[in-house]
Amino acid sequence: GDSVTQMEGPVTLSEEACLTINCTYTATGYPSLFWYVQYPGEGLQLLLKATKADDKGSNKGFEATYRKETTSFHLEKGSVQVSDSAVYFCALSDRGTSYDKVIFGPGTSLSVIP
Amino acid sequence: GAVVSQHPSWVICKSGTSVKIECRSLDFQATTMFWYRQFPKQSLMLMATSNEGSKATYEQGVEKDKFLINHASLTLSTLTVTSAHPEDSSFYICSASVSDGGNSPLHFGNGTRLTVT
Repeated sequence: GDSVTQMEGPVTLSEEACLTINCTYTATGYPSLFWYVQYPGEGLQLLLKATKADDKGSNKGFEATYRKETTSFHLEKGSVQVSDSAVYFCALSDRGTSYDKVIFGPGTSLSVIP
Repeated sequence: GAVVSQHPSWVICKSGTSVKIECRSLDFQATTMFWYRQFPKQSLMLMATSNEGSKATYEQGVEKDKFLINHASLTLSTLTVTSAHPEDSSFYICSASVSDGGNSPLHFGNGTRLTVT
């Protein structure tokens, strides 16, 4: 079945450091890929998405490129801020399903220290 | 746009009582809503898919009689935790999407923190 794997956390970075959170997926069809972010005590928010191979999603300085050849969707940011501290979830939605069921990775906790 | 409202945001109840959580799509119609459960420091576990006007589809291992789901209209789905016990304490999150073949992301409510004493 479809699945999403993420690098294990927690990840602790100093402010202005570079961030990469690895994400790889397994899917039978042609999935759309997403990154969601969850701030402490809150629900999930969509951070960015890509719907086909070679698409690049970007938002708030974060980027991720849909790599079909490596089945990856790594999240990157050039300079993190304290306000980026949150849990990040990689996810996929397989177009082959009827109900847009979304499968989430385990999440990666990021802490940015001043 | 695409706002999902979830209520209540937190609830404390006694063991043996039932708790209802509401999920509303405020500015769009959602024929399908999803209910997730999140344990501390873990990912989201899909509990069930809620379809307007029909029975919910539960994931393997989720008790249908324990977690009652009703999707009464195109903008409202409810999850009722019946005869709650301390092990039901968790963070419950609903979501909805505009169904267009998997291109649209899910829009999430802010979650409900349930504590059963």
